[in-house]
Amino acid sequence: GESVGLHLPTLSVQEGDNSIINCAYSNSASDYFIWYKQESGKGPQFIIDIRSNMDKRQGQRVTVLLNKTVKHLSLQIAATQPGDSAVYFCAETPGFQKLVFGTGTRLLVSP
Amino acid sequence: DTEVTQTPKHLVMGMTNKKSLKCEQHMGHRAMYWYKQKAKKPPELMFVYSYEKLSINESVPSRFSPECPNSSLLNLHLHALQPEDSALYLCASSQGQGSEQYFGPGTRLTVT
Repeated sequence: GESVGLHLPTLSVQEGDNSIINCAYSNSASDYFIWYKQESGKGPQFIIDIRSNMDKRQGQRVTVLLNKTVKHLSLQIAATQPGDSAVYFCAETPGFQKLVFGTGTRLLVSP
Repeated sequence: DTEVTQTPKHLVMGMTNKKSLKCEQHMGHRAMYWYKQKAKKPPELMFVYSYEKLSINESVPSRFSPECPNSSLLNLHLHALQPEDSALYLCASSQGQGSEQYFGPGTRLTVT
């Protein structure tokens, strides 16, 4: 069963707001990072990625920022919509073919 | 086709049963992966196949046995599982090192 008190960090926003989800990664050797979105009952879905030779990358309504000095990633979602409600995971690649996921953040978007 | 398919969607099995999970991709990816995901936790890597050869086993108990019959298919054979093995089992594929992994919808496994 689950541990008592186990829960995901949650970010609650209003529709139309900008959302920022943060992630600390652990391995300074990681050179490739991905953000995934996971909706209830589904597998993780790729959102955006970034390599360690970049500090910012933009997609459609999403931006990923990478700060290697403090081993920190963030995902910015512009004009958040109810369909963005999901659990968001950052993932790093500390070794050959390995992908290690962060603990996840639940995003709740209210209309 | 950017889809990874997994069957079955749901599986309930007893501790003495033998069952298999199946995964298929037709994207020409040469790396395929099995992950285990418990409720409210991130996916955890179990196995990696690269060019149909097992390249990573993350110290998974032998009651889980992976198989890669060809470059499009990945199986996970289950035998003598424990109730704590109940989880969502995810399959993924990628072109290789340093590239995006595409995930299937998962098989929800319950061991009774």
